[in-house]
Amino acid sequence: DADVTQTPRNRITKTGKRIMLECSQTKGHDRMYWYRQDPGLGLRLIYYSFDVKDINKGEISDGYSVSRQAQAKFSLSLESAIPNQTALYFCATSDKTGNQPQHFGDGTRLSIL
Amino acid sequence: GQSLEQPSEVTAVEGAIVQINCTYQTSGFYGLSWYQQHDGGAPTFLSYNALDGLEETGRFSSFLSRSDSYGYLLLQELQMKDSASYFCAVRSYNQGGKLIFGQGTELSVKP
Repeated sequence: DADVTQTPRNRITKTGKRIMLECSQTKGHDRMYWYRQDPGLGLRLIYYSFDVKDINKGEISDGYSVSRQAQAKFSLSLESAIPNQTALYFCATSDKTGNQPQHFGDGTRLSIL
Repeated sequence: GQSLEQPSEVTAVEGAIVQINCTYQTSGFYGLSWYQQHDGGAPTFLSYNALDGLEETGRFSSFLSRSDSYGYLLLQELQMKDSASYFCAVRSYNQGGKLIFGQGTELSVKP
């Protein structure tokens, strides 16, 4: 089983719809992250969370919200989807040490029509 | 501000050695990491340099020079399966260890 699981893997929806992307992890890590990847732009951080009661904005949080329901779960919501939110979304985890590499889920490919 | 720069594309032949450079401007960071990504799949960790110098992991090596604001990933004995995108990233001191990524280098390995 994957250590970091994202659902759904693919989603096509219409402008204005509310969408939730879910992430769960079995690594026991405290820190969880949501990234967005667009062609030619690398990975950009949307939100991150140090623990269940901690939520922080990343580089591109506008139009997104998150919920950290438990240590193992971190969900990303698009309240009213727009076409320029079409992208590949990755969830990642890390422990508290400074040099622990992040572990990524397999991604959610989201298309907004 | 913080930014990392990498070449967008590199092409090499099977069996050769290739170096992917990463130059950065950042106010402070724990270390430089490298990730590999195949065809939009999950990025996977390759190497990490906390200190200046060379780190070797099998066919892959990574180098960091903080004084030169420069690092590189060295891939030896290239194989077709090494065709992928490679990202450098720094873990910022001030932002909870979040990784700041370069835009990635697409490596094409030819027979």
